[in-house]
Amino acid sequence: QKEVEQDPGPLSVPEGAIVSLNCTYSNSAFQYFMWYRQYSRKGPELLMYTYSSGNKEDGRFTAQVDKSSKYISLFIRDSQPSDSATYLCAMSEQGAQKLVFGQGTRLTINP
Amino acid sequence: DSGVTQTPKHLITATGQRVTLRCSPRSGDLSVYWYQQSLDQGLQFLIQYYNGEERAKGNILERFSAQQFPDLHSELNLSSLELGDSALYFCASSVAPSGGTDTQYFGPGTRLTVL
Repeated sequence: QKEVEQDPGPLSVPEGAIVSLNCTYSNSAFQYFMWYRQYSRKGPELLMYTYSSGNKEDGRFTAQVDKSSKYISLFIRDSQPSDSATYLCAMSEQGAQKLVFGQGTRLTINP
Repeated sequence: DSGVTQTPKHLITATGQRVTLRCSPRSGDLSVYWYQQSLDQGLQFLIQYYNGEERAKGNILERFSAQQFPDLHSELNLSSLELGDSALYFCASSVAPSGGTDTQYFGPGTRLTVL
């Protein structure tokens, strides 16, 4: 079983919809949680960064971490065609050097 | 643009060959990370260097090696290449030695195809 599980999709929604992306994990030592966006043939780009549990909002994006359930989410409000990309969750332990990534969810926003 | 540069963008080679991938970190970043992204395994951490010294190792094969030079650029050497080594190879950089507490910025990647 992988440390981080993420549904690869694909997920297709109409423009303006609220998108919910999720990851589950098994390692209770994870303290840092990130969401990266990756456009086709590009490198991952950091979207959201959260330490421990709680919510974080940045514009149309909201990240939630529930450590008790080992579950993290990314919500995208008023989704736009430009949001079409692969979204990767990533996690890390305190003091660790590496990020552990989920498989990535391919998202398409249809105009 | 993250500020991390990688060359070459594409590399096509044959089984058994050796290649070198190059990465220049963002100005001021001392840590360099290498990742491999394949369809079946996703994005996997390979190795990290901090200010010239190896800091952490992940699932890196013995046929692969890396180093970071005094000017902080890094090279990933892949030898005795196999078909299964075909993947995207990403370099990332950060200021601090600890990847969890510091943002990692990714380069555009090198697409390796082994025929």
